[in-house]
Amino acid sequence: DSGVTQTPKHLITATGQRVTLRCSPRSGDLSVYWYQQSLDQGLQFLIQYYNGEERAKGNILERFSAQQFPDLHSELNLSSLELGDSALYFCASSPGLADRTDTQYFGPGTRLTVL
Amino acid sequence: QKEVEQDPGPLSVPEGAIVSLNCTYSNSAFQYFMWYRQYSRKGPELLMYTYSSGNKEDGRFTAQVDKSSKYISLFIRDSQPSDSATYLCAMGEGGGGNKLTFGTGTQLKVEL
Repeated sequence: DSGVTQTPKHLITATGQRVTLRCSPRSGDLSVYWYQQSLDQGLQFLIQYYNGEERAKGNILERFSAQQFPDLHSELNLSSLELGDSALYFCASSPGLADRTDTQYFGPGTRLTVL
Repeated sequence: QKEVEQDPGPLSVPEGAIVSLNCTYSNSAFQYFMWYRQYSRKGPELLMYTYSSGNKEDGRFTAQVDKSSKYISLFIRDSQPSDSATYLCAMGEGGGGNKLTFGTGTQLKVEL
């Protein structure tokens, strides 16, 4: 158990809908990362937050947004869902050290199925 | 061309074999190198973390980094059926942005 929790475990929804994925980081970690894992693309970095502020952005679609709250949990919002958004979504957390790439610990993931 | 290349396998070996997993990369700014193990439909689990070039050993696992060749390796000694999983290499530049760039993963099966 990495200490990172994600809810829900599974989500099934229809095209055009909006969903929210939730992540709670390990105790003491200030950084939260979101990744998307699909069969053909592998694990893709979406976005990073550090202590409530956006720090780095990857290949995140404009239909997707995220935020990190004062208690450090994070939410990833996916809107106008398309079939191609079906994937595993992972959250990871790390202490957030500024001078290095520090160790990221992954949660169990949320499996999103868009029908 | 992807920044990180990894042979997807599958790689099948007998129990007790030495396994060699590799990644190549093109971004010379990468300084931090990690190996993760991912069981089917589970979250990636960190196995090894190394900085810059050199070797690091942890139990049956050894990680090697050759920055001059832009090549990293993970060796698994005395492989066990429980090692059957997908192995992902990951790399980071350090500094302010901590994002990781992952290889696509190598699927390993250790057979009895």
